Amino acid sequence: GIQVEQSPPDLILQEGANSTLRCNFSDSVNNLQWFHQNPWGQLINLFYIPSGTKQNGRLSATTVATERYSLLYISSSQTTDSGVYFCAGMNYGQNFVFGPGTRLSVLP
Amino acid sequence: DAGVTQSPTHLIKTRGQQVTLRCSPKSGHDTVSWYQQALGQGPQFIFQYYEEEERQRGNFPDRFSGHQFPNYSSELNVNALLLGDSALYLCASSSGTGFGYTFGSGTRLTVV
Repeated sequence: GIQVEQSPPDLILQEGANSTLRCNFSDSVNNLQWFHQNPWGQLINLFYIPSGTKQNGRLSATTVATERYSLLYISSSQTTDSGVYFCAGMNYGQNFVFGPGTRLSVLP
Repeated sequence: DAGVTQSPTHLIKTRGQQVTLRCSPKSGHDTVSWYQQALGQGPQFIFQYYEEEERQRGNFPDRFSGHQFPNYSSELNVNALLLGDSALYLCASSSGTGFGYTFGSGTRLTVV
C-alpha cells in the first residue's frame, strides 16, 4: 500500500513566522488532502489538492503529482495555528492513508 | 446542518470487555469509514461500510467488527479489549463517490 512521510515531525515558531510542511508519497494518489487536528481531536479539512496550487487566506498548498510530494505553506502564523497537520492520500480506493503528522507549536 | 456525530466522547473499559462506538454520518452521506488513532500517530483505516456491507477493511483483527444501519449510521464493536486498543476512534462519512470526506470529533477509548 501507499506509504506517506511527513517532515518535519515537530516545528516550533514564533507568532508571525512562516513555515513549510512537506509530504511525500510512495505511489501516485488520486485524492490528496491536508488536515489540521485541533487539541480536541477534530480533524479539519484544509485542502483537497491532488495536483496544482490552492490558497485559502494565510494557508496555501502545492502538490507536484509527478514527483509525488505536496507542500503546505503557513504564513504569518498565529497561536491558533498550533496543532497537528496531517496529509493523507487515497489511491483509487475509498480510504485515506495518513502520514505521521507534523506537530506545530506557535508561541506568542 | 449537523456534521458527523460520534458517541460517546470518552469511554473507559477494562481489559477483556467489549465496547460499542456509534457514528451518525453527515446529512446526504451514505458511506461511513472508521479509523483508529493511537497517541502520537496518524489515523489508521479500520474498515468502511456502504449499503450496509463492509466494503473495505484495513489490517485489523477480527475482534474489530462493525455494522451499518438503513439510516446510514454505523457502529464499531471491539471484543476482548487489549490495553493496546486505547486510542481515539474517528468516524468519517462521505458520499458514494468517496469525496466530501468529513470526520467526527472521535471517541477516546481508554482500556485499563
